[in-house]
Parts: sequence; C-alpha cells; structure tokens
Amino acid sequence: GDSVTQMEGPVTLSEEAFLTINCTYTATGYPSLFWYVQYPGEGLQLLLKATKADDKGSNKGFEATYRKETTSFHLEKGSVQVSDSAVYFCPSGPADSWGKLQFGAGTQVVVTP
Amino acid sequence: NAGVTQTPKFRVLKTGQSMTLLCAQDMNHEYMYWYRQDPGMGLRLIHYSVGEGTTAKGEVPDGYNVSRLKKQNFLLGLESAAPSQTSVYFCASSYSRTGVPSNQPQHFGDGTRLSIL
Repeated sequence: GDSVTQMEGPVTLSEEAFLTINCTYTATGYPSLFWYVQYPGEGLQLLLKATKADDKGSNKGFEATYRKETTSFHLEKGSVQVSDSAVYFCPSGPADSWGKLQFGAGTQVVVTP
Repeated sequence: NAGVTQTPKFRVLKTGQSMTLLCAQDMNHEYMYWYRQDPGMGLRLIHYSVGEGTTAKGEVPDGYNVSRLKKQNFLLGLESAAPSQTSVYFCASSYSRTGVPSNQPQHFGDGTRLSIL
C-alpha cells in the first residue's frame, strides 16, 4: 500500500547550519504531500505542501520539492535558527478520500546557539 | 482568527471519572478528527467525522466516544477514565467544500493535556 518513510531523529545542529530531513514515499498515484511542524507545547501546524510532481513548497525559509523520480519530499533549510527547534512531521501515506493522514513520531530537531 | 479551539487546555481526572473534551472550528470544515499524542508514538487517530451527524472509528477508538451534533463542534468523551488514557489530545479539521479533500491540510488545535490518576 501507499506509505511514507521519515528520517528518525533527534537531529542536533548548530545555529546557521544546513538542515535536511528526509521523507520518501511509495504510492500508486501522485498524492499531495505535506510537512507539519510542532513547536514545544503547541499543536501541529502546516509548514508547507505540494500537490503534484515537481511542485516546490516553501515557507519560513523551509523548502521541499515533490520529486517523482526519487519519490522524495525532503525538507531543507539553508540556515537554521534556535527558533526552528521543533518536531517535524511528514505524514505517512497519502490522504484518503476522507482526508485522513497517518502521523508517525516525527523528527525532533534541536538547534543550539 | 480562532481556527480550531480546544477546551479545556489541562485536566486531571481520577480513574473511573468521566469527562468531555470539546473541539470547535470556525472554518466551515466538513471533516474533523481526534488524535492522541504519546511520547515516542506520534499522533494516533481516535475517531473522525466527515460531516454533521456522522462519526467513524480511527486507529485507537476503544474507551472513547464522539459526537458531532453541529458541524462546527466535535466532542470526545471518556466514559470511565483509565491511567492509560493519560495523553495529549489534539483535534483537527479539514476540507471546506472547494477542491479535493486529499489536497487540503488539516488544521490543529493547541491540545488538551489530560492526566488520569
């Protein structure tokens, strides 16, 4: 069946470092793909999305490109800040007809000064 | 912009007590969801609703009931609380009747932190 594999954390890096969180998917079609972020003590919020192959989602300096050839949707940011410390989720599996998504444990990112 | 509002934010219960968590959304969304988040296990879907008056079971429905009498509200009930239900509960909503449901993200509330003693 359709599924998404997300890189496990935690990821610890210094301020201004480059961040990549890997997310790959298997699907029979071309599902919409999402990245969510959860800051400490808060709910999840949509970070970015892409609805078709070759789409690039971007927000708050983060980017992810929907790559059909590698079936990937890796999240990247060129220069992280302490405020980017959070848990990042690439939902598992495409949304079914009721919009359901499967969220794994996410990838915790810790940015140190 | 209220979005998704959950009440209460915190609650402590004794084993065997009952309570209801309320979720309200002001985005006219058709679909609503209840999740629980436990350390190391991510978010797990408890129940969901695809419209007023309809509900369905998710991945971990046992011990919970839900109701959606009004489109904007989705209630999660614990009839007899157990320590295993200590968790953070999140409500989410999605899909206004434009476009394709699978293309629309879920919008989350800030959660209810529930402890069962």
